[in-house]
Formats: sequence, structure tokens, C-alpha cells
Amino acid sequence: EVQLVQSGGALVQPGGSLRLSCAASGFTFSDYWMYWVRQSPGMGLVWVSQIKTDGSVINYADSVKGRFTTSRDNAKNTVYLQMNNLRGEDAGIYYCTRGGLDFWGQGTLVTVSS
Amino acid sequence: DVVLTQSPLSLPVTLGQSASISCRSSHNLVHSDGDSHLWWLQQRPGQSPRRLIYKVSNRDSGVPDRFSGSGSGTEFTLKITRVEAEDVAVYYCMQSTHWPFTFGPGTKVDIK
Repeated sequence: EVQLVQSGGALVQPGGSLRLSCAASGFTFSDYWMYWVRQSPGMGLVWVSQIKTDGSVINYADSVKGRFTTSRDNAKNTVYLQMNNLRGEDAGIYYCTRGGLDFWGQGTLVTVSS
Repeated sequence: DVVLTQSPLSLPVTLGQSASISCRSSHNLVHSDGDSHLWWLQQRPGQSPRRLIYKVSNRDSGVPDRFSGSGSGTEFTLKITRVEAEDVAVYYCMQSTHWPFTFGPGTKVDIK
């Protein structure tokens, strides 16, 4: 059974850092691009980043470029989102999903507030 | 960036009736592989998004055949026939032809 299990969400102050994790199981993780998507409170969905199967290509939304870093560990079947210098507009539920968008994590809540 | 415009944004439907959601793109969504990478996602209250339709018209396994997708180029449609209570959700179109991928604003379907 394919599963994407997320962790790492928390309340953090503006300017703070957080690392989100997405642990995959039930499929060959190294065969799939992985994506991060954010849903701000009461709002729609926004792409945050994508990472290629071997980590050689990583793309970011302009709003997070230079502050967020996506990485993956294919030995641990896990993708990460390192979030630095967090702003209020970064708050929301973060989802990981795999290439094809056919499976999504349960989401993890990031709250940015002083 | 590609802008996806959905209409309507709110769609009250009578049980058993049909619903149709339009998704218009600011750019042609034909990918270099020849397909249009236009997807439809369903997000029920309190749940993660779920893929319903991939590449315009391909229904995912387990998705009732009441759901169908159509369109090409810049205009796409999701149709739900015989709406059921379980269809109450927000429906998003999404494109992955051009980076950054983008979502439509979502259409909220509820029961009249």
C-alpha cells in the first residue's frame, strides 16, 4: 500500500526555521519526482517545490526561493523541506505528493506567529 | 505563470442532477510529449486532495464513472452526473505542462 507520512509541522516565530519530512512506503521511491504543495488557511493550493528522482533537479516557487530547500534521501525513502526565515504568508498545511499526483500525504500544519 | 480560471467558484447542486465546472488556461497546455497535462483534484472537507482525472480525461481507478473530463488546448471541463452527497467537495484543476505548476482557485460543490 502506497503511503506518504508527513511530520515536522509546528508553531514557529517569524524568521524561524522548520524542517518538514515526508516518509514514503509501498512504492519505489527513487522512481518518482516528489512535490511540496501548500494550502493557506481557507485558501487554495499552491506549488512550493519539486525534486527529481535523483535530486539533480529542484525547482521552487518564486515566493520561497532562497529560503526553502528541498532534498531527498532515497536510502530512507524520505523527502524533506527545510524552511528558513519563515514569514506569515508561509503558514498553512503543507502536503507532499509524488509524481502523477495520485497519492498525497496527510498534510502537516505550519503556523508562523509571534 | 499559467493562470487557470475556474467557473463557477460555487456550485450548489440538487442531488441526482448534473454539475459542470470549467477550467480555462492562459496558455496552451499541450506538453512536448503531445499530451495536455491538465488534472482534476477533489478535496473533501478536512481531507488531503485526491486525484480524480489525469491528462484531461483519464479517470483514476476507484473514481465513479459519474465523473468525466474533457477539453483541449486552453479549455477544459469536469462533469459530474447524478451528483451524490459524497461529491460535496472543492474541485481544483491543475496544470503541470509549464513550471511553476499552477492550480485553479477551486470550485466548491455543495448540495442545495
